[in-house]
Amino acid sequence: GAVVSQHPSWVICKSGTSVKIECRSLDFQATTMFWYRQFPKQSLMLMATSNEGSKATYEQGVEKDKFLINHASLTLSTLTVTSAHPEDSSFYICSAGRVLNTEAFFGQGTRLTVV
Amino acid sequence: ILNVEQSPQSLHVQEGDSTNFTCSFPSSNFYALHWYRWETAKSPEALFVMTLNGDEKKKGRISATLNTKEGYSYLYIKGSQPEDSATYLCAFTNFGNEKLTFGTGTRLTIIP
Repeated sequence: GAVVSQHPSWVICKSGTSVKIECRSLDFQATTMFWYRQFPKQSLMLMATSNEGSKATYEQGVEKDKFLINHASLTLSTLTVTSAHPEDSSFYICSAGRVLNTEAFFGQGTRLTVV
Repeated sequence: ILNVEQSPQSLHVQEGDSTNFTCSFPSSNFYALHWYRWETAKSPEALFVMTLNGDEKKKGRISATLNTKEGYSYLYIKGSQPEDSATYLCAFTNFGNEKLTFGTGTRLTIIP
């Protein structure tokens, strides 16, 4: 299957700072990438859909000014958590590809801890 | 709000035994049901994508069935092995929407 590389795998940052997470499709071009968040004992929840060359579509309740998504090329999408706070501590994971009836390809995820 | 529910939440199975678990999802506007295996510190790996009522898919010792009319899917593992230990996620897509809605997963531990 296709490979999606996500970095970093974990990060600890101070409250008020910003953190950037990268998601790269290594062997295919991803016109669409999805960003998910998972809190403990909860399911993966879609935060936003990122389309190459256009603005991301955010799910209800996700602040677009706080979670900046950039999808400037067909192989790279980034999620920046701006002015992070402890409540943003979570597991963030990206996936690439069109998923109507085909599999999605996931990154390895990023564990963010804000102290 | 679309709810995808998986049961049980966790499961311990003796090596060599067979097991199964359930995913239930809204039956209206159904498009596809996905199963993923997620091992710790790795990426979720796609097992099956099923679209048709009555679909049965198999990959080695793992198989899945789909009932779209009543909104459930079963995942079966035959002759469990330690490498089957993982969290099994199911996810559902609506017609015309690429959004995957996930369940919370079933965490399977195989006891050697």
